Amino acid sequence: SSELTQDPAVSVALGQTVRITCQGDSLRSYYASWYQQKPGQAPVLVIYGKNNRPSGIPDRFSGSSSGNTASLTITGAQAEDEADYYCNSRDSSGNQAVFGGGTKLTVL
Amino acid sequence: QVQLVQSGAEVKKPGASVKVSCKASGYTFTGYYMHWVRQAPGQGLEWMGWINPNSGGTNYAQKFQGRVTMTRDTSISTAYMELSRLRSDDTAVYYCARDRGYTTGTTTSYYFDYWGQGTLVTVSS
Repeated sequence: SSELTQDPAVSVALGQTVRITCQGDSLRSYYASWYQQKPGQAPVLVIYGKNNRPSGIPDRFSGSSSGNTASLTITGAQAEDEADYYCNSRDSSGNQAVFGGGTKLTVL
Repeated sequence: QVQLVQSGAEVKKPGASVKVSCKASGYTFTGYYMHWVRQAPGQGLEWMGWINPNSGGTNYAQKFQGRVTMTRDTSISTAYMELSRLRSDDTAVYYCARDRGYTTGTTTSYYFDYWGQGTLVTVSS
């Protein structure tokens, strides 16, 4: 299967830790990448590979993977982290990309 | 610095075609695959396909097979996505995104490190 499944919505209290998960068979062969998208803006890469952050992404963002599940963790969530988060990977052939349905993160 | 600059918003009638451009700068255009992703209003990201700017080879999502054509002009470092036989549910923001990838051990990582600003395509009679 090439599907990636995410929880539609997650909330976290300001300053607390939140984990956003992504499940799919292809994650056993390919690392997920994670994207943050705020209203009216293009997606921004926040995590890729085993646990890599592009330049400019705060170190409160981290990634992990186990079996068919990838996770994005925000340690000490800030108000500006409120956004939609999407995971992405490839299908079993590696030739086609697939996105999860997205998780809307609310920071309370 | 790497930049992907897309063409402006379009309004099309059902049945028409639209061609969106994505001009790359700040890197070797032929060195990285380019993907196209769309997002309907209030919906999630949907992958459409990719083009290898070096060879011109393409791979399209099954959903768009027969309606989408991705091309490139290496002389001006620009990728194009043309969608034909437009329907109202094709109304969306269309993004181009640069592809990166590497393998560590037995696991491969692919990711989109740069995105265009998006192009709104509205299909309405």
